[in-house]
Amino acid sequence: DTEVTQTPKHLVMGMTNKKSLKCEQHMGHRAMYWYKQKAKKPPELMFVYSYEKLSINESVPSRFSPECPNSSLLNLHLHALQPEDSALYLCASSEVGRGGSRGTQYFGPGTRLLVL
Amino acid sequence: DAKTTQPPSMDCAEGRAANLPCNHSTISGNEYVYWYRQIHSQGPQYIIHGLKNNETNEMASLIITEDRKSSTLILPHATLRDTAVYYCIVRVISGNQFYFGTGTSLTVIP
Repeated sequence: DTEVTQTPKHLVMGMTNKKSLKCEQHMGHRAMYWYKQKAKKPPELMFVYSYEKLSINESVPSRFSPECPNSSLLNLHLHALQPEDSALYLCASSEVGRGGSRGTQYFGPGTRLLVL
Repeated sequence: DAKTTQPPSMDCAEGRAANLPCNHSTISGNEYVYWYRQIHSQGPQYIIHGLKNNETNEMASLIITEDRKSSTLILPHATLRDTAVYYCIVRVISGNQFYFGTGTSLTVIP
């Protein structure tokens, strides 16, 4: 099974709301990722977790707060977002490794976020 | 980090082979090339990866030049369902992360 699930599929929130995006995988992967994708643009890396520890933060504003409670789950907590944060948020997972098959990332379907 | 360059768009007739090029002239010796595709508003889908040798799987073939500075993804018999954005990615050797280039939007024409 190479499935990564993400909930919710769609989310509409106001600028004062707090919401969370969830991502789950059961492939035994110990690296998990958040990407942001604006319309007609490629995915942009936001965060990388390796062995449940944050290893990369690509200078993402603090209104995005990632959390990895265990090896299967990845959350993205959202607070005080701006309309320009509206995008497709993608989660991915992979083995921790340097290349080849171990580097293959498996992506979820994404959460489409609209900030009003 | 090695960067990739791809043509922004290509057309291919249904049933014909689609050949998608990618330049990665700054690739390091132990960096892999990965190909993904993204059908409208879905998550990227893994297609194939390679290091030095040509690779083939049930979806596609990957041809890597001897100097490793470029590669070509081949979809042998394109169908309408292959219409998507195709991304060529060089995996950074120091970590797990991918950095996506701008990709090629492939349109398969009936």
